[in-house]
Amino acid sequence: QSALTQPRSVSGSPGQSVTISCTGTSSDVGTYGYVSWYQQHPGKAPKLIIYDVSRWPSGVPDRFSGSKSGNTASLTISGLQSEDEGDYYCCSYAGGYTLVFGGGTKVTVL
Amino acid sequence: EVQLVESGGGMVQPGGSLRLSCAASGFSLTGYSMIWVRQAPGKGLEWFSYISSSSSTIKYADFVKGRFTISRDNAKNSLFLQMNSLRAVDTAVYYCARGSGDYGGSYMDVWGKGTAVTVSS
Repeated sequence: QSALTQPRSVSGSPGQSVTISCTGTSSDVGTYGYVSWYQQHPGKAPKLIIYDVSRWPSGVPDRFSGSKSGNTASLTISGLQSEDEGDYYCCSYAGGYTLVFGGGTKVTVL
Repeated sequence: EVQLVESGGGMVQPGGSLRLSCAASGFSLTGYSMIWVRQAPGKGLEWFSYISSSSSTIKYADFVKGRFTISRDNAKNSLFLQMNSLRAVDTAVYYCARGSGDYGGSYMDVWGKGTAVTVSS
């Protein structure tokens, strides 16, 4: 399957909100309510921040929120903080016990 | 503490083999599906293998099918990846991750720190 489409980069000032889009197809994002988002800092392992489109794992602040409409999922980071800088990846279940990732989005805090 | 620790990475020549291990601690591997994800240098995350809790269901991405084999030993709380016929494009950091949610693997809630594999002559 093809990778999900994310913008290469987004940026915002501290306290602002940024939104990252994640566009898939009717074979993944559009059919399944199983979109997850991962945050990755340089040299570190990915960390789950959103699952099942809009649910938070324990310990993740509610500044991170997820949504989905049609074939596109979105991650919004509200009240941007310096520690939010890093790479963000969306991931969707694609049927048959397979997953597909987006290409990743670099978030820069200005 | 819930933790996954990968090992077995290193440098290998094209066409060679490596066996990666992923040791779980702080939880029992039994009852969880497990997933391998890789990340080439400077690139994004790439899912490529899934194994159900009982090993009854195994899936591979096309680009590793026939070359890589995923397996697990629940008694030893460990996951494995046998990689054969390695190519330069397989150079990456390899992560094991715990699958959770519906289908046992709709998202990954625990990740290891990764082990680096370099395929080069």
